[in-house]
Amino acid sequence: DAGVIQSPRHEVTEMGQEVTLRCKPISGHNSLFWYRQTMMRGLELLIYFNNNVPIDDSGMPEDRFSAKMPNASFSTLKIQPSEPRDSAVYFCASSLARLGGLHFGNGTRLTVT
Amino acid sequence: AQTVTQSQPEMSVQEAETVTLSCTYDTSESDYYLFWYKQPPSRQMILVIRQEAYKQQNATENRFSVNFQKAAKSFSLKISDSQLGDAAMYFCAYRSQRYGGATNKLIFGTGTLLAVQP
Repeated sequence: DAGVIQSPRHEVTEMGQEVTLRCKPISGHNSLFWYRQTMMRGLELLIYFNNNVPIDDSGMPEDRFSAKMPNASFSTLKIQPSEPRDSAVYFCASSLARLGGLHFGNGTRLTVT
Repeated sequence: AQTVTQSQPEMSVQEAETVTLSCTYDTSESDYYLFWYKQPPSRQMILVIRQEAYKQQNATENRFSVNFQKAAKSFSLKISDSQLGDAAMYFCAYRSQRYGGATNKLIFGTGTLLAVQP
C-alpha cells in the first residue's frame, strides 16, 4: 500500500501564476478530501469528493480555486491566479466512504511570492 | 454544526512520564467517530487512535489510550511512558457516521503542541 501520494512536495511560484496540486488516493478508497493548513486558520476542509463527485465545496475560498477528480485514482487542486495569501500546506486525504479515519498524503507546501 | 475544542495550545512532559491531552466536542448526533492525529515536524498527519461512539470500551494502541466520556462529550488522549519521538502537534478530530454528503468530513480541533523533555 503506497498511501496517498501528493505532488509536488514543495511549490514556489509568483503571484498571478497558475498552480496545480496533484493527488493519488489509496486504491479502493472512494472518498477524497482536500485540506489546507495555515498557522492562523488551522486545518480547513476545501472540498470533498465521494465516488469522484464533489459533495461539499463550501470551503473553497473563492473562484480562483477549483478541484477535479476525473477518475478514482487522481485529483487536482488548481489555483488561478495565485496570491500570497494562498501560501499554506495543502493536504489530500482519502478514506473508504464514511468509515473510519482519513489517510493523509505528505502535503504540498505552497509559497506564493 | 459539530465543533471540536482543544483548550491546551501547548503541553510539556518529561520523558518516561504520562501526559493527558484534552478534547471536547459538540454534536447532536449519536453515531460518530473520534480520532487523534499526530503531526510531527515532518508535517505528516499520522492517525494515532480512533474511537467509535457506540463502543463503551476505551480504545488503546500500545502506549496511547483514550478516555471517552460520551455524555460529557469528552475525548482525552493519554500517552504513557512518553518518548522523545512523541513530540508533535496532536489534533483531535470528529467524523459523523451519518450516511452521505457533507456530514462525513473530518472536523479538527486547533491542536495541542506536545514537547517531551529529556
